[in-house]
Amino acid sequence: AQKITQTQPGMFVQEKEAVTLDCTYDTSDPSYGLFWYKQPSSGEMIFLIYQGSYDQQNATEGRYSLNFQKARKSANLVISASQLGDSAMYFCAMREGGTNFGNEKLTFGTGTRLTIIP
Amino acid sequence: GAGVSQSPRYKVAKRGQDVALRCDPISGHVSLFWYQQALGQGPEFLTYFQNEAQLDKSGLPSDRFFAERPEGSVSTLKIQRTQQEDSAVYLCASSGAPWRPSTDTQYFGPGTRLTVL
Repeated sequence: AQKITQTQPGMFVQEKEAVTLDCTYDTSDPSYGLFWYKQPSSGEMIFLIYQGSYDQQNATEGRYSLNFQKARKSANLVISASQLGDSAMYFCAMREGGTNFGNEKLTFGTGTRLTIIP
Repeated sequence: GAGVSQSPRYKVAKRGQDVALRCDPISGHVSLFWYQQALGQGPEFLTYFQNEAQLDKSGLPSDRFFAERPEGSVSTLKIQRTQQEDSAVYLCASSGAPWRPSTDTQYFGPGTRLTVL
């Protein structure tokens, strides 16, 4: 079974609209972390936002927020007021286990290509 | 800059050649990771170092792949006798400033795009 599933290969969104990128995950570990990264065409992976499994509140970072629904095992990324510069690949990733050293490798989904239309 | 750097950015190798890819992590970061990203896919884990110790190499696809981090800073990923299926982007990431051992956000370098002909 896939540990991280991103079901939207591509999305087109009008500039200034909000967009939700879906991510579901699968783990039996009670302690885990969920990450979203942005990968522009230049190739670098840019960290956007992090949610820990024990965090009580949904994470927010500027225009990015994470809609964390633990019971449904989903961690959707919401981008408010989209901009042309948001056009990129977006990857959801998971770290299983606690934050002790040795448990830090990330498992990535296949990504969603977001295109912002002017 | 203060980010993760990788060199070379692009590498073209003939099948059978050996290649070495370099990663300079963020200064002071304890953990270093290598990932392989095939075209159109998400990155896949290769190996992980804590300081100079290689704690996990379960993702290395074959014994042709070898990684080292002898002084706990710069790391080199070596691929011997390259094959066409090794063509991919190789990403390096670092995390874990020693004064915040629970910090686990990984910061990535720009990657090395390897093309094997």
